[in-house]
Amino acid sequence: NAGVTQTPKFRVLKTGQSMTLLCAQDMNHEYMYWYRQDPGMGLRLIHYSVGEGTTAKGEVPDGYNVSRLKKQNFLLGLESAAPSQTSVYFCASRPGGLETQYFGPGTRLLVL
Amino acid sequence: AQSVSQHNHHVILSEAASLELGCNYSYGGTVNLFWYVQYPGQHLQLLLKYFSGDPLVKGIKGFEAEFIKSKFSFNLRKPSVQWSDTAEYFCAVTGWNNDMRFGAGTRLTVKP
Repeated sequence: NAGVTQTPKFRVLKTGQSMTLLCAQDMNHEYMYWYRQDPGMGLRLIHYSVGEGTTAKGEVPDGYNVSRLKKQNFLLGLESAAPSQTSVYFCASRPGGLETQYFGPGTRLLVL
Repeated sequence: AQSVSQHNHHVILSEAASLELGCNYSYGGTVNLFWYVQYPGQHLQLLLKYFSGDPLVKGIKGFEAEFIKSKFSFNLRKPSVQWSDTAEYFCAVTGWNNDMRFGAGTRLTVKP
């Protein structure tokens, strides 16, 4: 049972490049989340999904897009990367009801 | 939307000292409250959670937290810290809309 996995673990981009971060969970969880973690700011919610085919904006959605075409996968896209998007990105998932989130190991992104 | 504030940015303690980390949230409805810990280089792990019932919640590794509804607080405590408790601690809250908001985090350094 792998839990929540994230691909890639680390990536360097140039300003203006695009990329997609993949989050996969094998626990049949309904809810999935994307956060970014920056020093002194904790984790900020980018987008989340309450089920296959649905997405919603979080605190800091600008510059990001997401898709949840399959229940087990939640993709985070950066269409045109900016240095301000340099961060550590965490994915999380949870079942419905009163349950906690399970976090992935994170993706470290550096935008030059 | 709900928000979370953590009062202490960095706390330094000696081993065996008692710990209390403050967390206040802003939200008018029913909330679920969490404390997560992040050890250096690792992803977030759940310490404890409060959904309902007894406002004094016990978690792993000897941690506990008290929910005081009138003060909108959910402070984390530990009677005697160890060097291995050195980590960053995050308070989080979820409301009706299923997203989770985190505080900025408190870095705890325990001196041996």
